[in-house]
Parts: sequence; C-alpha cells; structure tokens
Amino acid sequence: NAGVTQTPKFQVLKTGQSMTLQCAQDMNHNSMYWYRQDPGMGLRLIYYSASEGTTDKGEVPNGYNVSRLNKREFSLRLESAAPSQTSVYFCASRDPSGGIPNYGYTFGSGTRLTVV
Amino acid sequence: GEDVEQSLFLSVREGDSSVINCTYTDSSSTYLYWYKQEPGAGLQLLTYIFSNMDMKQDQRLTVLLNKKDKHLSLRIADTQTGDSAIYFCAESIRRGYSTLTFGKGTMLLVSP
Repeated sequence: NAGVTQTPKFQVLKTGQSMTLQCAQDMNHNSMYWYRQDPGMGLRLIYYSASEGTTDKGEVPNGYNVSRLNKREFSLRLESAAPSQTSVYFCASRDPSGGIPNYGYTFGSGTRLTVV
Repeated sequence: GEDVEQSLFLSVREGDSSVINCTYTDSSSTYLYWYKQEPGAGLQLLTYIFSNMDMKQDQRLTVLLNKKDKHLSLRIADTQTGDSAIYFCAESIRRGYSTLTFGKGTMLLVSP
C-alpha cells in the first residue's frame, strides 16, 4: 500500500536513553516532515526536509536531530530522551511540484512515545 | 504572524449538521485544508480550498471561506457517528519554503 510508514508504533524510554524513529514513504515525494502532537497544542513542526540532502529546523527542534537518508527515508533521533518529549510523533510527506491535492500532506499513523 | 484558531469541542446528534469554524491570520495563505484524525490514527486530508474561492462542496462536506474576515468553516451534512474525530484546520504559507500551520483541532462527538 502506498503511503508513509512509521516504526515503531509504540515506545517507552527511560530518561537519558536514545532512540531513532524511522519514517519511509513510497510516493516519490520530495519533502518530508516530522511533527509532534500534544494534547491542546495541535501539531508542531520539529524538522523538515524540503528535498533529499537538505534538512531544516521547524518550530520545536531542541532535543532532536534528523537524517534524510535518501529520498524515501527521514529519521528522527532523540539523543537523550526527556519526559517533555513524551508525545505522539507524526511523519508526513508531500510533493509541492505535484497537483493541487499534493499541496497537502500524507501522514503516517504515528509513533506513541513515553519517556519515564 | 501566523496562528490558526479553532474551537476545541463540538457535540451534535446523528443526522444533524455540524459546523466547525477556524480563523487564521496570514493573508498570504494560498490553500486552506481540513484534516480528519480518527482515534489512534494519523491525519487524513479531508478537503481543501484555494484562497480565491468562496465555497467548495464535496458530497456531505461544504467549505466556506471568508477571506476578508480570515474565517474558514467546514459543514458536515447529515452527521454520522463515524464522523466522530478531531478535525484540524491548516493553512499553507509560502515563506522561502512551503509548510502547513495547523490549528489545535476540534473534537467532534456525534451521539446516536
């Protein structure tokens, strides 16, 4: 099935542990994004990659790093997890050069992360 | 500045119409979107409207845009229990790069 695949779906970390959230899309989209969703806060952009080989900070980048491994994959790394990073993380992709509907994002199903 | 505001909660009865409202502040928005998020799932694009349009209808969905007041609404006719979800308004702004700014979401609860 075409779309955005995120792994893992659930994760519990201890404070100070590190982990990498994986994201892959098979729609040949140029741009990829990482958002976090917190109750009452909506979605906030962490990092984005406008195209393969480029990454830029979004609204809330502190405590995170990203890698655009190739056109398909965009990973998010927490080097030293903190309880404030407990959230649901969504990866998304889009192709701004595509038709009008592609101006919208295609989202993955999310990674639910708890840091204790 | 950019900010998208939505009411947080709406409760309706099955068969009624639902109207979810959204205000935005950036007049340079080119497209405005409605996304739906069902429990435990990601966001799904529901519909969109180009900024030079006033209205768009798509089956049970009607989107109204008042550009002067920067007000966007989503009307769902004959609301069903399966429409219960969180609805996000989002605007697309081109500022060196294109990204979406989301509202905080409106939780729609449809009771039988």
